[in-house]
Amino acid sequence: DAKTTQPTSMDCAEGRAANLPCNHSTISGNEYVYWYRQIHSQGPQYIIHGLKNNETNEMASLIITEDRKSSTLILPHATLRDTAVYYCIVRVYVDDMRFGAGTRLTVKP
Amino acid sequence: GAGVSQSPSNKVTEKGKDVELRCDPISGHTALYWYRQSLGQGLEFLIYFQGNSAPDKSGLPSDRFSAERTGGSVSTLTIQRTQQEDSAVYLCASSYRVQYEQYFGPGTRLTVT
Repeated sequence: DAKTTQPTSMDCAEGRAANLPCNHSTISGNEYVYWYRQIHSQGPQYIIHGLKNNETNEMASLIITEDRKSSTLILPHATLRDTAVYYCIVRVYVDDMRFGAGTRLTVKP
Repeated sequence: GAGVSQSPSNKVTEKGKDVELRCDPISGHTALYWYRQSLGQGLEFLIYFQGNSAPDKSGLPSDRFSAERTGGSVSTLTIQRTQQEDSAVYLCASSYRVQYEQYFGPGTRLTVT
């Protein structure tokens, strides 16, 4: 039970923004939202995390709704190399690090 | 700096044999984690270490699995009497402290024939 719900797959045109949604309606007040991605045949890669404020780093932006029941990962200018499975995880303790099925993002030329 | 490294990258073993998988975390990271990923599946959390101690071993699939960490650095995951269902990619991750973001190694692909 991964505590999060994500679409199974999404497509995005190269150069456009990729917006990946995640529902976490049972999130509790001390749980963070983490995003990782896994490119084929590689280990997962950390992208970004947040508690309640929106966050931005060199890879992506994370938008968390005011009620914290959902969030969106934004890749502002998707490239072909961003094709991967994206995992949304909510956790406060390490043993809550449950990876669900994730969203398979395919960036198309 | 160097990332998390794992060895071997690939391991083929016969059913019933023991295997040992190694993980070298990022220098200075006190927390270390083991996961496994079966073909086409998500990650399954196995165990984590804070320093040399593993507070919770309940994620290990059976008593054939054990893990240790010495010197607060290198960790080994041992699988005794391997079974075909043990075939998977075994991933190691480390983080500066527990609850910080985790950095993953490339994994060890274990195939039990």
